[in-house]
Amino acid sequence: KNEVEQSPQNLTAQEGEFITINCSYSVGISALHWLQQHPGGGIVSLFMLSSGKKKHGRLIATINIQEKHSSLHITASHPRDSAVYICAPAEYNTDKLIFGTGTRLQVFP
Amino acid sequence: DGGITQSPKYLFRKEGQNVTLSCEQNLNHDAMYWYRQDPGQGLRLIYYSQIVNDFQKGDIAEGYSVSREKKESFPLTVTSAQKNPTAFYLCASSPTGDAYFLSPLHFGNGTRLTVT
Repeated sequence: KNEVEQSPQNLTAQEGEFITINCSYSVGISALHWLQQHPGGGIVSLFMLSSGKKKHGRLIATINIQEKHSSLHITASHPRDSAVYICAPAEYNTDKLIFGTGTRLQVFP
Repeated sequence: DGGITQSPKYLFRKEGQNVTLSCEQNLNHDAMYWYRQDPGQGLRLIYYSQIVNDFQKGDIAEGYSVSREKKESFPLTVTSAQKNPTAFYLCASSPTGDAYFLSPLHFGNGTRLTVT
């Protein structure tokens, strides 16, 4: 069983839709990163959080440490949001990141 | 603007040859990392460095070597001992030496290496 599971693996949406990407993990963590990988391969760090909720523009990330679950929400999705979104918890003992395989999002006009 | 530069974007080599991937940052970050990405898999850590002249093996260091002679530079050499070198390689950095994996990561645009 993978230590980090993301769902869905692939997601297609119409412009304007509300998007939710889920991340479940099995290890104890000290923090969790959400990353965005563009079609060309470059990766941008979106959030790092260890509790509660963070918001940046149309993006919202939440985490429930007790339930070992995090979600990334995109409000009013836009075609430029099309990318792979990666969840990466930092393992508690080592602080090393364990990367999920990503959720591929395509937003159509 | 500050950032991380990886070069080249695409690299082709013959089997049996060593190849060095460049990673330079002007963010004044202490920590730097090399990750490998294969289709359908999450990123895997190859090597990381918290400070100049020091580095540690990650989860898949076999067949790779690094150096950290300058704060700005963390080149990765893929040696002929690496059994499956064809992959997408990403370099990253983060601001602090302490709790380095708990700092936001800054990534380069990656180098796609193909070995035939």
